[in-house]
Order: sequence, then C-alpha cells, then structure tokens
Amino acid sequence: EDKVVQSPLSLVVHEGDTVTLNCSYEVTNFRSLLWYKQEKKAPTFLFMLTSSGIEKKSGRLSSILDKKELFSILNITATQTGDSAVYLCAVSDSGYALNFGKGTSLLVTP
Amino acid sequence: DGGITQSPKYLFRKEGQNVTLSCEQNLNHDAMYWYRQDPGQGLRLIYYSQIVNDFQKGDIAEGYSVSREKKESFPLTVTSAQKNPTAFYLCASGAGAAANEKLFFGSGTQLSVL
Repeated sequence: EDKVVQSPLSLVVHEGDTVTLNCSYEVTNFRSLLWYKQEKKAPTFLFMLTSSGIEKKSGRLSSILDKKELFSILNITATQTGDSAVYLCAVSDSGYALNFGKGTSLLVTP
Repeated sequence: DGGITQSPKYLFRKEGQNVTLSCEQNLNHDAMYWYRQDPGQGLRLIYYSQIVNDFQKGDIAEGYSVSREKKESFPLTVTSAQKNPTAFYLCASGAGAAANEKLFFGSGTQLSVL
C-alpha cells in the first residue's frame, strides 16, 4: 500500500501555463514532506515542508503543506521548457528511509 | 565543485556475478544512502550509513552489501543473490539535523542484466 501518492502521474502543458502537482500521504510520526526535481538522472532538492499553511517559495515554484488533510501541492507558474522533469514527493517519518511517491512527469512544450 | 560522483554510469551484470557500484562525495557529509529506482515506482532505500564503519539495512537490503571504510566513500555491491538487479541506483548524502531529508544525489548508475 503506497504511503505517498502523487497526481497526476504525467502532464503536458504549454510554455507559460501554470501547473499544480499534488501529493497526498499517509504515514505515522510525520516529520516533513519534501519535493525533489529529477532532470535526466540526479534528483535535486526543492523544498522541505514541516508546518501547515506556510508557503515555501523559490522563483516561480512554490509549495504548501496541509497536515490536517495530509497533502501538499507544488505550483509552477509561467512554465518554461526547462521545467520539464519528474517531480518527486517524499515524506519523512520516524525511520531513516524517505517514503517516495512515484513521481509526476511534467513536459512543457514550446 | 562539491558533489557526489557515481560510477560507472552504465553497468552490465552476468548471471552469478557480483558487481560493485562506486559512490564518492566531497561534501563532508556524515550520512550516505543507496536508493533503488524502478520504472513506475518510488525510490526505495537499500542501505544507509550515518558514520564511518557503521551501516544499516534499509527496506530492500536483500542481495546487496555495502562498506563504509572512509567518510567519502560508500560502495554498493550487488550480489548474485539479488535476482532482479536491473534498476537505476542512486547514491545520496546528507548532513545535520535534516541528514536523511535534504539529500544530495549523484547522477546514478543504470544496472542491467545480460
């Protein structure tokens, strides 16, 4: 049974569109929720969220966590072709392993 | 530049053969991890190490072994006991209070079976 569920699994948008990626989770002893961007091979860290309602922002990317409803969203505004990647959501609990979702594959077309 | 280097990028294993994937970091991180990525699945933890000369099994350690003789190095051996080794292997490191959360990943090794 998946602990972290991402939706949609894939998405194709046009440059300039705004996209919202979803991540729902179900873990005990929640510590944090993380977003990573995987371009080609190496995932790179985007955000770590620990508190509800506090938006994290980096340029055109932003993310927020709802610990009551157990989900997070990652928004990308004014998308560019360079945003094309797989976006991974992961949740940390009391163990050392991060619980990863399957990822959302985003393709931004010119 | 600081980072994590994995080698080789591609590796082929014959049946019954052990193969070793290299992972080196110059970030001075104490914690290092090996994750396995399969198509259509989330990353899964194989082994992790919080300090030199110590390592722990992750969720899918069967058929794998590791060593941590130096802080910079955390090689992963895929043994013949691993019956389904074809996957993309990612090494990562972390430091501080978020050592297992804010991870720095290498570029991965794609392992295939001949």
